[in-house]
Amino acid sequence: ETGVTQSPTHLIKTRGQQVTLRCSSQSGHNTVSWYQQALGQGPQFIFQYYREEENGRGNFPPRFSGLQFPNYSSELNVNALELDDSALYLCASSSGLSDTQYFGPGTRLTVL
Amino acid sequence: AQKVTQAQTEISVVEKEDVTLDCVYETRDTTYYLFWYKQPPSGELVFLIRRNSFDEQNEISGRYSWNFQKSTSSFNFTITASQVVDSAVYFCALSGNRDDKIIFGKGTRLHILP
Repeated sequence: ETGVTQSPTHLIKTRGQQVTLRCSSQSGHNTVSWYQQALGQGPQFIFQYYREEENGRGNFPPRFSGLQFPNYSSELNVNALELDDSALYLCASSSGLSDTQYFGPGTRLTVL
Repeated sequence: AQKVTQAQTEISVVEKEDVTLDCVYETRDTTYYLFWYKQPPSGELVFLIRRNSFDEQNEISGRYSWNFQKSTSSFNFTITASQVVDSAVYFCALSGNRDDKIIFGKGTRLHILP
């Protein structure tokens, strides 16, 4: 196990609602990245947080937002949920930029 | 633009056979990193290996081995004497130097049949 934890494990929401996903990074890691994995696809980069600042962002709309806290845990918030947001959301932590990213077990979000 | 191609969508082999998963990548960076991750049915991505673009030495770890060839932009993964527990989706991935993101291929689903 990597030491990266995510909550909740599963979540069911309806279109238009808002959701918050949480990630605790591995001890000693100051960087957290979030990925969205649709069924049958590879993970797609959403954004990365390094020492509480957003360090980079993928091709996702502004309704995807995040936070990193002083203890380096992180949240992913998604507003105005759409059916296509149904996916596995993976959090990864690393000990710095361009270092190996270790992934958590993911949160499976279903939007009805 | 960076891109990772895993042409094999799905592979099935009988237990104890050797199997090679192909990965071809595209990047304009001179310094980059290549990865392989395993995703079992539980969903968690398990890190297997990371290679620096300047290190073309092949690597062996138990039954796993990796062949990195810059000349063909390939980073292939071989499992020797496959076991049922090797059944999973395997992702090849790429990141640039001091890059924020990892670019993943679409994955190869590997079935090891008893």
